[in-house]
Amino acid sequence: QVTLRESGPALVKPTQTLTLTCTFSGFSLSTSGMCVSWIRQPPGKALEWLALIDWDDDKYYSTSLKTRLTISKDTSKNQVVLTMTNMDSVDTATYYCARIRGYSGYGPIDYWGQGTLVTVSS
Amino acid sequence: DIQMTQSPSSLSASVGDRVTITCQASQDISNYLNWYQQKPGKAPKLQIYDASNLETGVPSRFSGSGSGTDFTFTISSLQPEDIATYYCQQYDNLPWTFGQGTKVEIK
Repeated sequence: QVTLRESGPALVKPTQTLTLTCTFSGFSLSTSGMCVSWIRQPPGKALEWLALIDWDDDKYYSTSLKTRLTISKDTSKNQVVLTMTNMDSVDTATYYCARIRGYSGYGPIDYWGQGTLVTVSS
Repeated sequence: DIQMTQSPSSLSASVGDRVTITCQASQDISNYLNWYQQKPGKAPKLQIYDASNLETGVPSRFSGSGSGTDFTFTISSLQPEDIATYYCQQYDNLPWTFGQGTKVEIK
C-alpha cells in the first residue's frame, strides 16, 4: 500500500527558509523510473507544480521558482525533502508530495499525501 | 512553459445532467493529459489519465477525450458526490502545468 505524508512547520516568517519532508512507503525511489513530486495550492486557488526528483537523482523545478527551490532524496529513509528560500506571504499554501506512476515522470500522479498547510506570517 | 486553459471556471448543473469541461494546451501535448477531482479539504484524486483512460475504481460516468491541444472531460450523469473542483494537467513537458480548475456545483 502506497502512502505519503508531508511534515514541516505550519508557520514560517517572511524571508525564512521552509524545509518540508515527504516520508513515503509502499515503493522505493531506488526503483528504476520512479519519481516523486511536490505540488502546492494557495487557499482557494489552483494547483501549482513545484519540483520533481527521480530514481536517478535528476531534479526538475518550476520555471518561476527554480532559484528558490531545492529537492533532494534520502533513499534509505524513504524521504524526499523540499526547501524553499526567502518565503513570502504569497507562498502560503497547502504543500503536497505525490508519487508519479509511469517511467521517469511520464505518467499521472496516482498517490498524494494529505498535504500540509504552511502559513507565512510575521 | 505550456499553458493550460480550462473552462468554464465554474458551473452549476442538476443531478442527472451531462457536464462537460474543456482544457486547451498552448502547444501540442499529444495525449499526455490527466484529470483530477478535488473535494474541499482533500488531496486531488486521479480520474482520467492519458486523456481518455479511466482510472481504476472511478465510476464509468466519467470520461475523457481529445489529443493535441484540445481535451474534454465529461460526467455523463451528474451525481451529488461529484461536487468538486476538477483540474487538467499536462505532462508532455516539464515543468508540468495544471489548468485553473472548474468548480462543479449542484443547481
